[in-house]
Amino acid sequence: EIVLTQSPGTLSLSPGERATLSCRASQSVSSSYLAWYQQKPGQAPRLLIYGASSRATGSPDRFSGSGSGTDFTLTISRLEPEDFAVYYCQQYGSSPYTFGQGTKLEIK
Amino acid sequence: QVQLVQSGAEVKTPGASVKVSCKASGYTFTTYIMHWVRQAPGQRLEWMGWINAGNGNTKSSQKFQGRVTITRDTSANTAYMELSSLRSEDTAVYYCVRDASRIYDYWGQGTLVTVSS
Repeated sequence: EIVLTQSPGTLSLSPGERATLSCRASQSVSSSYLAWYQQKPGQAPRLLIYGASSRATGSPDRFSGSGSGTDFTLTISRLEPEDFAVYYCQQYGSSPYTFGQGTKLEIK
Repeated sequence: QVQLVQSGAEVKTPGASVKVSCKASGYTFTTYIMHWVRQAPGQRLEWMGWINAGNGNTKSSQKFQGRVTITRDTSANTAYMELSSLRSEDTAVYYCVRDASRIYDYWGQGTLVTVSS
């Protein structure tokens, strides 16, 4: 099973700042089958990025993904108030499809 | 528009079974795979399994094999996830998720299952 470890656990930033979230896999993620989700309290996760770097329909262009192999990054170029939430990475290249433990992005 | 509408919250006693439904609309149900993912309180999301809504083929996580059954009713455009031998650790929000060629693009609203004596 591929274990995904996200860092940091909590990130405190102000609106307008740049956020960099990391996701590290215990084994190489095949074909860059790596996705990023945003989850707000009481809501289902929302897909932001798939295939490591492709933006999902409706995902603002301030969100970008990069990386390959075992190291992946989600970058939010300029934080908006609605971006403060929990972010999860997921690998779906190797069953069981696993998720990271999440990074909470909070307002500083 | 695509919608996945799940059944309501359930409270079960340990050892019982629960069956959660996920009614799809706004797209051709049989041309997609549907996954089931759960989230226990304070825990990370956990993938449980999937069903090919067209041919009924399924695959589940080894963690749940023997306890989880994923089915679908094509006449009702509905997928189901049944989990048996419930224990307190199964208390979680359960989600159905559409898979559009390895893009998990639409999620149901979630169904809270509480297991308590």
